[in-house]
Amino acid sequence: QKEVEQDPGPLSVPEGAIVSLNCTYSNSAFQYFMWYRQYSRKGPELLMYTYSSGNKEDGRFTAQVDKSSKYISLFIRDSQPSDSATYLCAGGDYGQNFVFGPGTRLSVLP
Amino acid sequence: GAVVSQHPSWVICKSGTSVKIECRSLDFQATTMFWYRQFPKQSLMLMATSNEGSKATYEQGVEKDKFLINHASLTLSTLTVTSAHPEDSSFYICSASVWAGSTDTQYFGPGTRLTVL
Repeated sequence: QKEVEQDPGPLSVPEGAIVSLNCTYSNSAFQYFMWYRQYSRKGPELLMYTYSSGNKEDGRFTAQVDKSSKYISLFIRDSQPSDSATYLCAGGDYGQNFVFGPGTRLSVLP
Repeated sequence: GAVVSQHPSWVICKSGTSVKIECRSLDFQATTMFWYRQFPKQSLMLMATSNEGSKATYEQGVEKDKFLINHASLTLSTLTVTSAHPEDSSFYICSASVWAGSTDTQYFGPGTRLTVL
């Protein structure tokens, strides 16, 4: 079992839809969780960084962490075509050793 | 703030030559720098972790004599792909981590695309 799993997609949604991206992880030592957005042929850019369980909101993005079920989510409200990218989740332990998921490809259709 | 640059952004070389890729943290001093490799439609694969002034720690399966990492300062790390072959063609991404309060955050560079002919 991989430590961090994501549905690779592709996920296609119409513009304006609410997008839900999800990851599961197996390492109970993970304390930190990140979401990255990666455009084609670019390095991944950090979107959200959360610690432990709970919600974090930043503009149209909301990250949720449920450590009891080892489940992390990223919600995108009012999705735009410019949100079309690959979204990577990552979990990290207290030593900041991060493991990335394989990424989910998202297409927001105008 | 927290900008990481890589140079070159892309490089094409002949098989058997060596290629050096630089990773710089432009506006902060990085505690640690990481080198990743990304194959098409796959996630980042951690190759090695380096701290300034010490030898890099390579992940299992990564040839240290093939991928030489030098971490000369708190703002510069280099990856040299020695005697490159076509199978080394890939997207190489570095990241630099910095402590902010009680957390350590990684900031990624834009990546370097290597094509070996």
